[in-house]
Order: sequence, then C-alpha cells, then structure tokens
Amino acid sequence: SAVISQKPSRDICQRGTSLTIQCQVDSQVTMMFWYRQQPGQSLTLIATANQGSEATYESGFVIDKFPISRPNLTFSTLTVSNMSPEDSSIYLCSPFRGFCEQYFGPGTRLTVT
Amino acid sequence: TQLLEQSPQFLSIQEGENLTVYCNSSSVFSSLQWYRQEPGEGPVLLVTVVTGGEVKKLKRLTFQFGDARKDSSLHITAAQPGDTGLYLCAGVGSGTYKYIFGTGTRLKVLA
Repeated sequence: SAVISQKPSRDICQRGTSLTIQCQVDSQVTMMFWYRQQPGQSLTLIATANQGSEATYESGFVIDKFPISRPNLTFSTLTVSNMSPEDSSIYLCSPFRGFCEQYFGPGTRLTVT
Repeated sequence: TQLLEQSPQFLSIQEGENLTVYCNSSSVFSSLQWYRQEPGEGPVLLVTVVTGGEVKKLKRLTFQFGDARKDSSLHITAAQPGDTGLYLCAGVGSGTYKYIFGTGTRLKVLA
C-alpha cells in the first residue's frame, strides 16, 4: 500500500474564496488522480496530473476552476477557485501505481458557506 | 461513456444476515476493484479482479467477476456491524488508465 497524506483534512470556506489542497505520497508516482466526492455520492474524476505537463481534465471540470500543480513525483496540489456552496465535497488524491493498486488519501472535506 | 451501476443503493440488515451487492455495466472492463469507505476516510481497496469468471475470497467477503467482464458481485456472509460503510466498485476500461467508479452501495449492519 501507499502512504498518502492530504492537507487540510477539512475546512470551512466562504463563497468566492479559494482553497489549495496538498497531497503528499511516500514514493514517486508518474500520475496523480484528483477526485471529488459530493455528499452521499460516489467518486468523480476531476483530472489526472503528470509531472512536467499540464493536467488532463475530465468533462465538466476546467483548469480555471480547479488548477493543479505537480512540481515533483511525490507531491501535487489542487486548488478549488472562486468557491460556491456547490463545491462542498470531499476531495481525494490517488497516486497511480498500476491497474491493481489504487489507493486514496484520507480526503479533504470542504464546506463552502 | 462507461457507467457502473450498483444495486442496491442502500441496504440495512441485521447482524448475521447475508447480502449481495451488484455492480453492472454494458461495457467491458480490463479489471475491476471493490472498495469500502467509512465516514471521514478515503476508500480502502478490498480486492481487484482481472479474469472473467474469477472468484476471490477475503474472509467473509466473496467477490466475483462476470464471465464477460461487464459485471461483478460482492457477497458478505454473516454480516457484522464492522462491515458498515459505503461499498464502491471501480473498473478500468480497455485501453485506458482511468478508473470509473460505481454509484455506490451504502450498507448498515445493525447489532
């Protein structure tokens, strides 16, 4: 398994502000996935982040709203910009380690008021 | 678009009962995984199945991958309160690295 940490673990933010979520992995990985889990729902892939290139976003997600950085192979950040209450979700990072090994960070629970 | 539908969506049972959760799709997946997620935590990987018809057992949990690799089931024998949580299936389509997550089954086991 992998050791994955996320910061912050939870936050309450005001509408219109931005929050940057950090994801740290204990070993180098080529791809990092970022997911959103809305209340009571399953996981939806936001984007895939590779080191040294722009992230690839899924349909319905755009870079201006969810900018991602991947400065090295063990770290990534996801920013939720210009937040609205609809952004209230759990945000999860997951390093890609092969098709039989997908592990998740503990998640960041975001509440937007 | 590949979709994974899980059923039932919610399940509340008494301790000691058996249950089966289904994960169905019209698409073929090269592998399929099952996760359990508890409140305040990320999903935890339970098992990965890769071969059509494959059956894997993890203590009281039995996982099966359909022959055509389009569906899967999770059977829990003699459920315990510790089995309570959100169960998610996730599949990887052919020619892609992305995981598609199922709609989820929320299980509550009452003591």
